[in-house]
Amino acid sequence: EAGVTQFPSHSVIEKGQTVTLRCDPISGHDNLYWYRRVMGKEIKFLLHFVKESKQDESGMPNNRFLAERTGGTYSTLKVQPAELEDSGVYFCASSQQGLTGELFFGEGSRLTVL
Amino acid sequence: GQNIDQPTEMTATEGAIVQINCTYQTSGFNGLFWYQQHAGEAPTFLSYNVLDGLEEKGRFSSFLSRSKGYSYLLLKELQMKDSASYLCAVFGVAGTYKYIFGTGTRLKVLA
Repeated sequence: EAGVTQFPSHSVIEKGQTVTLRCDPISGHDNLYWYRRVMGKEIKFLLHFVKESKQDESGMPNNRFLAERTGGTYSTLKVQPAELEDSGVYFCASSQQGLTGELFFGEGSRLTVL
Repeated sequence: GQNIDQPTEMTATEGAIVQINCTYQTSGFNGLFWYQQHAGEAPTFLSYNVLDGLEEKGRFSSFLSRSKGYSYLLLKELQMKDSASYLCAVFGVAGTYKYIFGTGTRLKVLA
């Protein structure tokens, strides 16, 4: 069974440009989370989908960040326009229905904004 | 706030036992998780505590005391491959569905 996959693994862009990160969760997992880790800091919650609905987006830094999960399958996280402080590793994680299960993480998408 | 504190780095010897502590300042959560993350890889699930006490899974055990705001991960019979970061996370604070992570503890296992 395929795990959580993320694309791209690494993206280098200039300030002001746009980047879209994609996450394919494990098939059948209703819960999908986006997290971000900036260098030296903890992994921080961005938002949580249950199927196609945003359950909690309280961690989204600002309106330059837009997440979608059309059809309740894969999700995208768009940053537009990117700023220097957006650099970090963006992790996607999924879990089965019910909210006490373990999270399965992707390997992350490293974003570098120059 | 929900500060979750872990030591930044620890070093131990192959074959030894190491305890990684996690303290938190939060009230009311569903459970506490431990994840392992090797450099450049995805975090992977190790252990999960809902009730106070010890959960044992092979060489790894995790302990939770809600009254003391404290958890630890115990690794026995350390192997070189256990060199990794260990992340403590609380889930379901104040009725939310978020996992809130600590900064992680980088463990180095020496031969």
